[in-house]
Amino acid sequence: EIVLTQSPATLSLSPGERATLSCRASQSVTTYLAWYQQKPGQGPRLLIYQASKRATGIPARFSGSGSGTDFTLTISSLEPEDFAIYYCQHRQDWPALTFGGGTKVEIK
Amino acid sequence: EVQLVESGGGFVQPGGSLRLSCTASGFTFSDYEMNWVRQAPGKGLEWISYINKNGGNINYADSVKGRFTISRDDAKNSLYLQMNSLRAEDTAVYYCAREFWYLDNWGQGTLVTVSS
Repeated sequence: EIVLTQSPATLSLSPGERATLSCRASQSVTTYLAWYQQKPGQGPRLLIYQASKRATGIPARFSGSGSGTDFTLTISSLEPEDFAIYYCQHRQDWPALTFGGGTKVEIK
Repeated sequence: EVQLVESGGGFVQPGGSLRLSCTASGFTFSDYEMNWVRQAPGKGLEWISYINKNGGNINYADSVKGRFTISRDDAKNSLYLQMNSLRAEDTAVYYCAREFWYLDNWGQGTLVTVSS
């Protein structure tokens, strides 16, 4: 079973700063990895799919990179609406999905 | 605009049953695979069930297998989750999510609380 480990658990930053979130897989997932954003009281929103492709309507300040076991979600300059929880996701044994534990990006 | 609206959540005693619904609009429901994902209070996301476009391929997480049943009615643009033999650990917000390789649209969720 592939385990996705996200770090850090919490990231305290100020608006305008750069955020770098990590997702590490216990074994290679090639580039089948997605990132989601979740705000309180809302369902998650797809940000990035296939490790580096932005979903429809996602601002260019969000970017994804990586392959194999190490992946990164970067927010180049935090906007007030970006403070949220971010999850990575992989599909290991179709159609079962696996999520990472999440990284909370909070205002410093 | 794509919309997914879950309903049917509520308070139920251990061993009880609930049926969740997810009503879709803004897209051709029959063209998409669908999933249920849940989130226990203060916890992360847990995938629990999948159904393909014609309902012929269904899958469950081990945590709900044998107790939950996913189904769809394309004529009603609706996805369902029948939950039986509920346990305290099933307490969560339940989301339906549309799938196009990834979960590209989610509902706002419906809360299920299992407690005596």
